[in-house]
Amino acid sequence: EPEVTQTPSHQVTQMGQEVILRCVPISNHLYFYWYRQILGQKVEFLVSFYNNEISEKSEIFDDQFSVERPDGSNFTLKIRSTKLEDSAMYFCASNQGQGVLRVTFGSGTRLTVV
Amino acid sequence: SQQGEEDPQALSIQEGENATMNCSYKTSINNLQWYRQNSGRGLVHLILIRSNEREKHSGRLRVTLDTSKKSSSLLITASRAADTASYFCATDEGGSEKLVFGKGTKLTVNP
Repeated sequence: EPEVTQTPSHQVTQMGQEVILRCVPISNHLYFYWYRQILGQKVEFLVSFYNNEISEKSEIFDDQFSVERPDGSNFTLKIRSTKLEDSAMYFCASNQGQGVLRVTFGSGTRLTVV
Repeated sequence: SQQGEEDPQALSIQEGENATMNCSYKTSINNLQWYRQNSGRGLVHLILIRSNEREKHSGRLRVTLDTSKKSSSLLITASRAADTASYFCATDEGGSEKLVFGKGTKLTVNP
């Protein structure tokens, strides 16, 4: 079954540093998402991306965050200046068409900010 | 409570028993999805039920949806130790692209 691939699986970074989390969505999918899950809490929506632009974003997705699809396969989340509270599991997801159909998630990147 | 709230928060059963988890939501939805998450791992899609469906089966899973009560249930029959995980329901918010997750039910199946 096709998978959403995320790298790295775990990243440790110093507070204030920039991090880029990488994702390869399923190849024929058109909609891409980032979600995060702080330890012990619920999964929260960050941003959706379609046709090379952000289609929806949450209050969490402030100016410190950005997303990019630099080529035909990768989808990245950049955090410009990490804070301790950015420590979380970050999930990339994708789906095939318009509307929220079956959304396939990657296995996540655990970001630890120290 | 918030969109996509599950109960119970934790459930412990013996292998072979059935496990039932419930989810309630507040706004209108187009569909509701259930996901499973093993500790510290990714989200695995289990089943999607559309708003015009009342019941759906997949293997040992049975999902029901009652849009009049804004609630859904996930039943896992003949549970196995390998079913131990957290289970989340997720809803769209009537046309929004995003999924809204509940806090999940942590299921422990004892061998």
